[in-house]
Formats: sequence, C-alpha cells, structure tokens
Amino acid sequence: AQTVTQSQPEMSVQEAETVTLSCTYDTSESNYYLFWYKQPPSRQMILVIRQEAYKQQNATENRFSVNFQKAAKSFSLKISDSQLGDTAMYFCALGNDMRFGAGTRLTVKP
Amino acid sequence: GAGVSQSPSNKVTEKGKDVELRCDPISGHTALYWYRQSLGQGLEFLIYFQGNSAPDKSGLPSDRFSAERTGGSVSTLTIQRTQQEDSAVYLCASSLDWRMPYEQYFGPGTRLTVT
Repeated sequence: AQTVTQSQPEMSVQEAETVTLSCTYDTSESNYYLFWYKQPPSRQMILVIRQEAYKQQNATENRFSVNFQKAAKSFSLKISDSQLGDTAMYFCALGNDMRFGAGTRLTVKP
Repeated sequence: GAGVSQSPSNKVTEKGKDVELRCDPISGHTALYWYRQSLGQGLEFLIYFQGNSAPDKSGLPSDRFSAERTGGSVSTLTIQRTQQEDSAVYLCASSLDWRMPYEQYFGPGTRLTVT
C-alpha cells in the first residue's frame, strides 16, 4: 500500500526566512510522481510543485524547491523568502492514486 | 469549463436525510477523484473514476456512500441516511488521465454539515 507521512502538524516562520516541510512516503512503484499542494484559508487546493521520480534533479518553482531523496523515500519542500501569502496548509501527495499526507499548517509571521 | 466546479458550496442537512453532491470536472479530463476532508485534517481518498468506470471503491467509508459518473463528465456523490460523522468538506478533482500522474485540479469543495 502507498502511504504518505508528514510529521510536522504545524510550523511557523518569520517573513523573508526559509522553512522546510518534511514528507516521507512508501511505494512499491518504480516510477511515480510526487506533489506538494497548498491549501490557503480559501480552501482552494493549488499545486505548488511536482517531482518525477526518475529525474534526479530536484524540481524548483520560483521560491519553492524540493529535496528529493529517492532511496530514503523523502520529499521535503523548501520555501525561501517566505511571504505572508504562503500561510496555508501544505499537503504532500504521491501519485498515481494521489495519496495525501495529513498536512502541515504553515504560518508566516510578519 | 474554466475549472472544476462543485455544488452546492454548503449543505446543511438533518441526520438521516440523503444528500447529493455534484462535481463538474474540467472539460476533456477523463479522471475524476473524490476526497473527504474533516475539519483541520488531511484528505481522505474516497473514489476515482476513469471515464465512467470506478475501478476501486474500497475508499468509500460505508455502504451509505455511493458515486456515479455519467457521460464521462459530471459526477455525483450520494450519502444516504447521513450521520453527524459525515460532516466534512468534500473535494472533487479532475485530471487528464488516471494512467498518467498529471496534476489534479481541485474544485472549491462542498461543506456538508449534518445536524
């Protein structure tokens, strides 16, 4: 069975600082995708970043980047230069059947 | 359509009543997913459709839950004899094809409150 674990229920960071959210997963698939989704208070889920397992290069998307460690089955999200608008729940997800972690509530403080 | 839409946005129902939740996916998306999100919790996968077919219904919490999709488009999630523990936000998402792990596009959700 595929599982996704986010061990940090809540985190906070000062504006302009860097924060890293952790995610570990388990799968028997050899090729798969991993995702980070953001859910702000508006409730609308938004894709933040996507990583293909067969690609060794870590994905980046502006201020968002991942540290993908395939052997360790770890997929952490780094947010640089945190902004107040980054305050949200962040969910790690494993494709193909989109298993989601429990989420990390991130608060960016002014 | 421009995005995934869900209706109603909010639903308050009495315990024991049946409810139907509707999801309109993005046009051309063959895969459709239903999730449940309890207050402050993660997403619980319920069911997915590839076209009109739902290969795996094991995520549905009980036999009071059912879902269907017609014409490869609109899907309805039906909860019969609702219970208070069914109160949650029900999210729908669609993607191009289940066989490829494309990005899922989420709707705004339906907040269900069972009193």
